[in-house]
Amino acid sequence: DTGVSQDPRHKITKRGQNVTFRCDPISEHNRLYWYRQTLGQGPEFLTYFQNEAQLEKSRLLSDRFSAERPKGSFSTLEIQRTEQGDSAMYLCASSPRQTGELFFGEGSRLTVL
Amino acid sequence: GESVGLHLPTLSVQEGDNSIINCAYSNSASDYFIWYKQESGKGPQFIIDIRSNMDKRQGQRVTVLLNKTVKHLSLQIAATQPGDSAVYFCAEETPAGAQKLVFGQGTRLTINP
Repeated sequence: DTGVSQDPRHKITKRGQNVTFRCDPISEHNRLYWYRQTLGQGPEFLTYFQNEAQLEKSRLLSDRFSAERPKGSFSTLEIQRTEQGDSAMYLCASSPRQTGELFFGEGSRLTVL
Repeated sequence: GESVGLHLPTLSVQEGDNSIINCAYSNSASDYFIWYKQESGKGPQFIIDIRSNMDKRQGQRVTVLLNKTVKHLSLQIAATQPGDSAVYFCAEETPAGAQKLVFGQGTRLTINP
């Protein structure tokens, strides 16, 4: 399968713990995006990378959130000191172009107890 | 109280009928639009897209119509099948410089046998 891969698919954690999600984009896609989706809502943009450079961050991305793409391939999204409001599906997407379709992974569902 | 986000617009149609899903977008300067389908527990899947220099585009069983005057987008699905049951999102690409997709709330389509 050569689609966008996300790991883990599900994570249950206690409030205050740190969690990290990994995304492997489609090979040779230089753009990588993180979105968050809560129940009944459309995906909300968090941040995106072109190669290893993080070009934009949403105001939704508080100081507890950090994303990296150190070698311009896979990316990680870390949430420190998780809160119950962080419970959501975290979606990763990649694209080979500056404009157009984003190719989404299956998401990482986070539940904070 | 119940979250507003749980009141996802819904559309129920009989198998074999045509469906029309509507979307109002927000930014008159957006120049690219896309429809995604999302099944339960999965990431969004591309259906069809359209650029602002067009007002209609057809795919296999799907047609997207764009009315820039009233900032309205619609997705028509012909001869609906049980596999079409999902949540459908429209998304707009913000003008050059931002380069990300902004999603609408979504519509849940249910196909009745």
